[in-house]
Amino acid sequence: DTEVTQTPKHLVMGMTNKKSLKCEQHMGHRAMYWYKQKAKKPPELMFVYSYEKLSINESVPSRFSPECPNSSLLNLHLHALQPEDSALYLCASSQVHHGLLNTEAFFGQGTRLTVV
Amino acid sequence: SQQGEEDPQALSIQEGENATMNCSYKTSINNLQWYRQNSGRGLVHLILIRSNEREKHSGRLRVTLDTSKKSSSLLITASRAADTASYFCATNKAAGNKLTFGGGTRVLVKP
Repeated sequence: DTEVTQTPKHLVMGMTNKKSLKCEQHMGHRAMYWYKQKAKKPPELMFVYSYEKLSINESVPSRFSPECPNSSLLNLHLHALQPEDSALYLCASSQVHHGLLNTEAFFGQGTRLTVV
Repeated sequence: SQQGEEDPQALSIQEGENATMNCSYKTSINNLQWYRQNSGRGLVHLILIRSNEREKHSGRLRVTLDTSKKSSSLLITASRAADTASYFCATNKAAGNKLTFGGGTRVLVKP
């Protein structure tokens, strides 16, 4: 199984809503990532979890709250988002070796988020 | 600014022609990777080239890496309409497991 599964595929939420994005992989990867991608732009790194611990936070606003409950699951909790947060949110996972990324990352199909 | 910058931003070619895109980066890397993305969906890994490698091949893909110039190129030979996609380079710095993407090249292959 070389899949990274993201749910939901599409999400529309109001600015006062609380929602969560979910990501799951069963490849035994110990690094998991959240990226944000706006139209016609490259993916921008948001968070990295390594061995279930948050290792990188790219100065993401606190209205985005990541969680890694176990080595297979990664969540992104959303609260009080703004319309400019509308984007494709991509989850990825990879192997790590001695803290280094030496192999490819596997990406999910993304969640298309619209904030209204 | 982006760790990797790509050029051209867009490329339009006829089926059967070759497509070449370039990526430049700023800091020392552990490896450089190329990904493909169709219609704003998930990214698919194409090739990983390590900092001590100069060239790699995979099917119709050829990647070069010049660490002295901090640049890489991706060549797609004998392109097909199905190669139409956005192509991104991504760099993994010399320490850590951060993967940072360049601006991307949108490739259109006309049948």
